[in-house]
Amino acid sequence: ETGVTQTPRHLVMGMTNKKSLKCEQHLGHNAMYWYKQSAKKPLELMFVYSLEERVENNSVPSRFSPECPNSSHLFLHLHTLQPEDSALYLCASSQDASGGETQYFGPGTRLLVL
Amino acid sequence: AQSVTQLGSHVSVSEGALVLLRCNYSSSVPPYLFWYVQYPNQGLQLLLKYTSAATLVKGINGFEAEFKKSETSFHLTKPSAHMSDAAEYFCAVSRSGGYNKLIFGAGTRLAVHP
Repeated sequence: ETGVTQTPRHLVMGMTNKKSLKCEQHLGHNAMYWYKQSAKKPLELMFVYSLEERVENNSVPSRFSPECPNSSHLFLHLHTLQPEDSALYLCASSQDASGGETQYFGPGTRLLVL
Repeated sequence: AQSVTQLGSHVSVSEGALVLLRCNYSSSVPPYLFWYVQYPNQGLQLLLKYTSAATLVKGINGFEAEFKKSETSFHLTKPSAHMSDAAEYFCAVSRSGGYNKLIFGAGTRLAVHP
């Protein structure tokens, strides 16, 4: 595997379910990110992790819970989601979390909440 | 605060014609500027990045962009469109200092017709 991978690629869940999205980067980077891409809104940054420490939470509801066990892996735990949470969730990584570092994106997980 | 405006949510060109995708930004500090491309059902791929080393930046697939500080613009061009260029293009801004927060424009969907 190379670059940034995400699993699953597609996920359908009910509002009472609990699920997790997984991201893995094979680039030796130290910073990882979650973004949300909705149909009618620009890409929104959700969380930033630097060396496994969360350094930014962009006013994301608590029903989204990130976890970064090491610098290569990032999870997004989902619970009691709403239909408006349906979107493409993109993971990215960069060498470090300094401003201006190039971010490399995974293919995304397409989430549908019923 | 930083922001990005992409003029034209949809652009249509003929194969072989010039591609021009517009991006204007606002930033109180010297910015880093990026263009990313997203093909259907895929993540974002970096086309090019402005870092202040040169105002004309060459990217992959024959694309280039010119940074014009006086116009606060970073328009993306390609001399001759190819069918494979059909995709959505995103302009983004980041700043030096602070955490690596990419602010994206709303995107421009490029259609290329024979």
